Amino acid sequence: NAGVTQTPKFRILKIGQSMTLQCTQDMNHNYMYWYRQDPGMGLKLIYYSVGAGITDKGEVPNGYNVSRSTTEDFPLRLELAAPSQTSVYFCASRPGLAKNIQYFGAGTRLSVL
Amino acid sequence: AQKITQTQPGMFVQEKEAVTLDCTYDTSDPSYGLFWYKQPSSGEMIFLIYQGSYDQQNATEGRYSLNFQKARKSANLVISASQLGDSAMYFCAMREGQGSGAGSYQLTFGKGTKLSVIP
Repeated sequence: NAGVTQTPKFRILKIGQSMTLQCTQDMNHNYMYWYRQDPGMGLKLIYYSVGAGITDKGEVPNGYNVSRSTTEDFPLRLELAAPSQTSVYFCASRPGLAKNIQYFGAGTRLSVL
Repeated sequence: AQKITQTQPGMFVQEKEAVTLDCTYDTSDPSYGLFWYKQPSSGEMIFLIYQGSYDQQNATEGRYSLNFQKARKSANLVISASQLGDSAMYFCAMREGQGSGAGSYQLTFGKGTKLSVIP
């Protein structure tokens, strides 16, 4: 079972460059999330989506954009990358059930230099 | 105020011994869920165990159990018979609200506890 797949695993960007972090899930989950994890910290929510065509901001959305055109895919776009966006990015999904376990991808390690 | 507090930055445990990782939480929502995730050095986040606020019994999943003390707002993870492969970061997280229907039901994470299992 593939679960939640993130690409790329690693990326180095120069300041001002843009990129898209890809996330896809094959579990038919409606809910999807993007988190970032800074060194020595827990995860913080960037954006989330409750279904195709519906997205909303989380705790730390500045500098990012998302789209959700299909149930499976939830890409995260970084425009004008800044050193403060150096982090590990996790995508997660969950079914719309009460237990609400979120299943995570393996993460993308991004450095902005 | 922090919603999830993990007061132990690092813990050591002897192989085959049990260990308790502390987690306290803060919420005024009567409906919430508490989660523990493991993050090995490879970086992925692995779900371990879940406790709902209305669950009458403490959750158990194999060698993992959750010591849920609602009045104290604590949800400590107990790992029995530690193994070398248990060495990892452990994160406590909380979801507030019913968990279905509209809303983000995001997880709020603590800063984590690094567990090292000694042979």
